[in-house]
Amino acid sequence: DTAVSQTPKYLVTQMGNDKSIKCEQNLGHDTMYWYKQDSKKFLKIMFSYNNKELIINETVPNRFSPKSPDKAHLNLHINSLELGDSAVYFCASSQDNPGELFFGEGSRLTVL
Amino acid sequence: QKEVEQDPGPLSVPEGAIVSLNCTYSNSAFQYFMWYRQYSRKGPELLMYTYSSGNKEDGRFTAQVDKSSKYISLFIRDSQPSDSATYLCAMSGYNKLIFGAGTRLAVHP
Repeated sequence: DTAVSQTPKYLVTQMGNDKSIKCEQNLGHDTMYWYKQDSKKFLKIMFSYNNKELIINETVPNRFSPKSPDKAHLNLHINSLELGDSAVYFCASSQDNPGELFFGEGSRLTVL
Repeated sequence: QKEVEQDPGPLSVPEGAIVSLNCTYSNSAFQYFMWYRQYSRKGPELLMYTYSSGNKEDGRFTAQVDKSSKYISLFIRDSQPSDSATYLCAMSGYNKLIFGAGTRLAVHP
């Protein structure tokens, strides 16, 4: 059973479209995250939610909107996709230790 | 200046070599220091976790933290081809986790 699962794994879309990525964790963790990894492998936090409440919003454009329907799910919706949004998006979760993150396998987004 | 600096490599070593991976940082508020391993097309997984200065050993892996120099290291002894991956250092303080750029390591038979 996958601990942190995200769908879809691959997403290819045109500029200007809107797309969503879903994430679910079955670890019982209270905190979930979205990270963006660019082509140079640099991993940067976008959002953090604790028990469905937004904790961290790292100067991400308003086109990105996270939604947490419950503490096991954190979805990411992106409006008006741009070329620069092409990256791998990772969902992660943690419990008491903010340094110990459990990552999903990533969703590779390509914007044409 | 980035908060965390890490040489992206790539680093190529023969099987059995000792590998040294390093990161420097600028924020003295960091208290927790981690190393994550990321295989190609997979998510990062936690490899080593240390608090404050000192050494921690786990099998072939040793993590070192020198807070006075703001410098952390990961040593891999008797490296194996299965160690080929990208290694990301990470550090946290005030509930924020910052990653280095990752060093790509290739261990060839």
